[in-house]
Amino acid sequence: LAKTTQPISMDSYEGQEVNITCSHNNIATNDYITWYQQFPSQGPRFIIQGYKTKVTNEVASLFIPADRKSSTLSLPRVSLSDTAVYYCLVGDMRDSGAGSYQLTFGKGTKLSVIP
Amino acid sequence: NAGVTQTPKFQVLKTGQSMTLQCAQDMNHNSMYWYRQDPGMGLRLIYYSASEGTTDKGEVPNGYNVSRLNKREFSLRLESAAPSQTSVYFCASSLPGQGNIQYFGAGTRLSVL
Repeated sequence: LAKTTQPISMDSYEGQEVNITCSHNNIATNDYITWYQQFPSQGPRFIIQGYKTKVTNEVASLFIPADRKSSTLSLPRVSLSDTAVYYCLVGDMRDSGAGSYQLTFGKGTKLSVIP
Repeated sequence: NAGVTQTPKFQVLKTGQSMTLQCAQDMNHNSMYWYRQDPGMGLRLIYYSASEGTTDKGEVPNGYNVSRLNKREFSLRLESAAPSQTSVYFCASSLPGQGNIQYFGAGTRLSVL
């Protein structure tokens, strides 16, 4: 599984766009990049997944450069409710043969949104 | 649609006691997982089950046993609880071929005194 590196914490004011970058220098050809969000006292929640270029959904955008050695999660106009820990994960989304996949969560990036 | 349901939400045990954490999903997912999360840490995989009748060890399986009772249910058992097992436990599930996208329960907060 590819190792990921992301900032431990970030602060942002309400209404700003927040970009969280994750480095994954040893990403493999079949690996996808997946981001999760975790609020205090809750389980992680899938936000977005991508392989290359840009992916956008109703929650966030994910930018992946051509070399795929990093990715940036972009949260538009954050609010206080976006205060959470954000995890970047990299891995092969295909079944391992046993039909399951082991996710490796690092410590994530703790985003604090300030009023 | 409840998703992934874990019981109990909170539990306090004394060292040496045993207990079973229950997990059920109603999304018809094949794969299910048990993680633990310690303060300031990411999640670590304890056990996972690719399908009914199969289970495999994850990163930190020692001190735990699991049972995949049927497609819906995956339980985690602590036979003799230790203070080092004080943690928050999360159950998750996923569809075949989409193991990167896991759906998590709300967690069980366990304290072992």
